[in-house]
Amino acid sequence: QKEVEQNSGPLSVPEGAIASLNCTYSDRGSQSFFWYRQYSGKSPELIMFIYSNGDKEDGRFTAQLNKASQYVSLLIRDSQPSDSATYLCAVPFSGGYNKLIFGAGTRLAVHP
Amino acid sequence: SAVISQKPSRDICQRGTSLTIQCQVDSQVTMMFWYRQQPGQSLTLIATANQGSEATYESGFVIDKFPISRPNLTFSTLTVSNMSPEDSSIYLCSGTPGTANTEAFFGQGTRLTVV
Repeated sequence: QKEVEQNSGPLSVPEGAIASLNCTYSDRGSQSFFWYRQYSGKSPELIMFIYSNGDKEDGRFTAQLNKASQYVSLLIRDSQPSDSATYLCAVPFSGGYNKLIFGAGTRLAVHP
Repeated sequence: SAVISQKPSRDICQRGTSLTIQCQVDSQVTMMFWYRQQPGQSLTLIATANQGSEATYESGFVIDKFPISRPNLTFSTLTVSNMSPEDSSIYLCSGTPGTANTEAFFGQGTRLTVV
């Protein structure tokens, strides 16, 4: 059974700081990893996906993947109050493109 | 990415009744899925909606309780049958082109309360 683990938080950071969100997964065969953001009462929206070891940057967001350690993280630079949301890490089921297993999500609170 | 219109956005239903949720995608997608998000929890996959054939259900979910239809590549329905208060959740449909490493996008969700 695949598992995706996240610290539920809340993670509280001051405005302008770097927020670091972490995710571990159990299946060594996992190839791609997705980060979704979910505002309260809204549906998830994709922030980034990553499938190669190392870093992938998109604006203020950086995804980091370490397959040897089965660890993926999301860094948010210059955090803004509008970044306050729950961040969900997701991994596809084996052989099922984008049939996703979600972690519990980490609630991020950015305070002014 | 494609846009999924999901309805109803919310409903309050009596126990023992059924509710059908609809999702319409503005373009053809290979794969469609239905998820449940219970209060304060993450998303759990209910089933894969297969076009023109029976849905594929995940462990803990059965067709009698959650019948699913997908008559074409842009439309799917999920019915929550014989509802109980434990079915109170947000139900979300998702679509994807079906190729690896591409976005899975979501409908707006249906917030269901069973009383």
